[in-house]
Amino acid sequence: ETGVTQSPTHLIKTRGQQVTLRCSSQSGHNTVSWYQQALGQGPQFIFQYYREEENGRGNFPPRFSGLQFPNYSSELNVNALELDDSALYLCASSPDRGHGYTFGSGTRLTVV
Amino acid sequence: TQLLEQSPQFLSIQEGENLTVYCNSSSVFSSLQWYRQEPGEGPVLLVTVVTGGEVKKLKRLTFQFGDARKDSSLHITAAQPGDTGLYLCAGVNTNAGKSTFGDGTTLTVKP
Repeated sequence: ETGVTQSPTHLIKTRGQQVTLRCSSQSGHNTVSWYQQALGQGPQFIFQYYREEENGRGNFPPRFSGLQFPNYSSELNVNALELDDSALYLCASSPDRGHGYTFGSGTRLTVV
Repeated sequence: TQLLEQSPQFLSIQEGENLTVYCNSSSVFSSLQWYRQEPGEGPVLLVTVVTGGEVKKLKRLTFQFGDARKDSSLHITAAQPGDTGLYLCAGVNTNAGKSTFGDGTTLTVKP
């Protein structure tokens, strides 16, 4: 079985721009969560999608939005990028809500 | 806001020593998960504990979930250099569709 795949692996954007990060969930997993991890900190929960619907959201502004597709892959969109958005963005999938997550290796976003 | 506090933040020990790291919260969780993360990689799930008082063993690692489902501990016996990494705990609130991670314990095991 394939794991969780994220693309791109690294990205550099300018303040004010928009970015889309992509995630292919593990086969058979219907739940996808996105996290932001700053250097030296634990992952911060952005939101979770369950069967194409947003199922929960953390303390992130509306310029952070997402989608989950019928094949359960997912996108994270960030508008009006700020310098503080520079971080490792992690996608994780699970076979159902509340189960343990399989994480991808992340997308390292740098905003300059 | 649900917060998870992990302690200690950093731990450096010699190969063969035992250690315990802690994960504490004032909130009750549906379940609690432990992960290990290496630099440049995503966290890897070690265990999920669901029932208050539950103890799970994974080779040299022993995980315990507090009776009130608010805290947990991870004990490693005879640590090896391969155990080096960032150990993260995550509290899961299934109904809210939310997971809360602590900031982790960075473990270094010296040969």
